Amino acid sequence: DAGITQSPRYKITETGRQVTLMCHQTWSHSYMFWYRQDLGHGLRLIYYSAAADITDKGEVPDGYVVSRSKTENFPLTLESATRSQTSVYFCASSDRTEDNQPQHFGDGTRLSIL
Amino acid sequence: AQRVTQPEKLLSVFKGAPVELKCNYSYSGSPELFWYVQYSRQRLQLLLRHISRESIKGFTADLNKGETSFHLKKPFAQEEDSAMYYCALKKAGNMLTFGGGTRLMVKP
Repeated sequence: DAGITQSPRYKITETGRQVTLMCHQTWSHSYMFWYRQDLGHGLRLIYYSAAADITDKGEVPDGYVVSRSKTENFPLTLESATRSQTSVYFCASSDRTEDNQPQHFGDGTRLSIL
Repeated sequence: AQRVTQPEKLLSVFKGAPVELKCNYSYSGSPELFWYVQYSRQRLQLLLRHISRESIKGFTADLNKGETSFHLKKPFAQEEDSAMYYCALKKAGNMLTFGGGTRLMVKP
């Protein structure tokens, strides 16, 4: 599944700073997703996108902004980082909704906010 | 509301022992369920999906609508099965609701 890449892999920043996590996929998948992974909570959906220029909130969107100007890219921005946003962030993509297409995940970005 | 519950955060078994990772869900519609696995230092990957009724790496999972469960089973655990396992429920728009995960440790 090398077709979906996240950058950076690790990031340390300070509270109040803006930080952007990048996600790029080469499959031309319609759907893209951002999750955060926290101990005891599993993965929680932050935002998702059904196609270019179409985005929608997931379960925990507060404090995050996304955009999808191109099908292959889905950046996630923390406009003013808080310590509660320290987490591991996963990007995923999937093809059309039919046929139980699975989501393909990136390697994750480990974000620490001091 | 959709919800996925994995009651065990950690499951520890010996090599060769049977293993069952529990998953319960609540969903008003017809559920579509998946098991994802995350090995150490690797990305999350699909293990199996209920609609395929397949066996992957010796694991099987049967959807029990009466008990709203989708437990993952393997008759003889191997050390390489040690990983984090997530049960997930598909919603509209291909979104997934994940359980909290169960860490499986298989001891030699």
